[in-house]
Amino acid sequence: EVQLVQSGPEVKKSGESLRISCKGSGYTFTRYWIAWVRQMPGKGLEWMGSIDPSDSYINYSPSFQGHVSISADKSISTAYLQWSSLMASDTAMYYCARHSTTSHGVVIYEYFDNWGQGSLVTVSS
Amino acid sequence: DIHLTQSPSFLSASVGDRVTVTCRASQGITNYLAWYQQKPGKAPNLLIYGASTLPSGVPSRFSGSGSGTDFTLTISSLQPEDLATYYCLQLSNYPFTFGQGTKLEIK
Repeated sequence: EVQLVQSGPEVKKSGESLRISCKGSGYTFTRYWIAWVRQMPGKGLEWMGSIDPSDSYINYSPSFQGHVSISADKSISTAYLQWSSLMASDTAMYYCARHSTTSHGVVIYEYFDNWGQGSLVTVSS
Repeated sequence: DIHLTQSPSFLSASVGDRVTVTCRASQGITNYLAWYQQKPGKAPNLLIYGASTLPSGVPSRFSGSGSGTDFTLTISSLQPEDLATYYCLQLSNYPFTFGQGTKLEIK
């Protein structure tokens, strides 16, 4: 069974650093990218970026690039989302998801199929 | 960036109703569109990819259609467990973008 298990809730203060994790199991970790998605309280979903764990190549959303860092350690099948200086506006639920591809003939479709349970980050000012 | 606009933003329907949610892209995305269901307090769940393909395990009452800029998610016969917010996601161009969501209430 494919599973993505995320680290637990965090309560931090503005200016502090934080790293949250997402551990994959039940599949070959290096064969699928991992995406990170933010959901602010009462709001919609926002794609932050995706990483290829096989070589740590990353695509960032411009909205998040420079404020967060995405990384992965393939030896322990774990992806990370990191902040060096949190802001109150970083308060949100963060989800990781397996970023998969499927071929239909010559067409390749991408999608996020399996999701972690979410990591709630609360930042006080 | 490609902007996705969902309509309606809020929908109230009865069990057994046929429900339709639309997603319009600001530019053509061929059929690189997925739909997600997010139940309250839960992570999103993939319903459809490639605009119309249902992954295994998704009930057949869900269907998707469209290509280019206009897409539709249809629930053929609404069930109580379909209470959720539904999102479209375009994966045609980086950065990937979600629609703002459609909250579905069961009357």
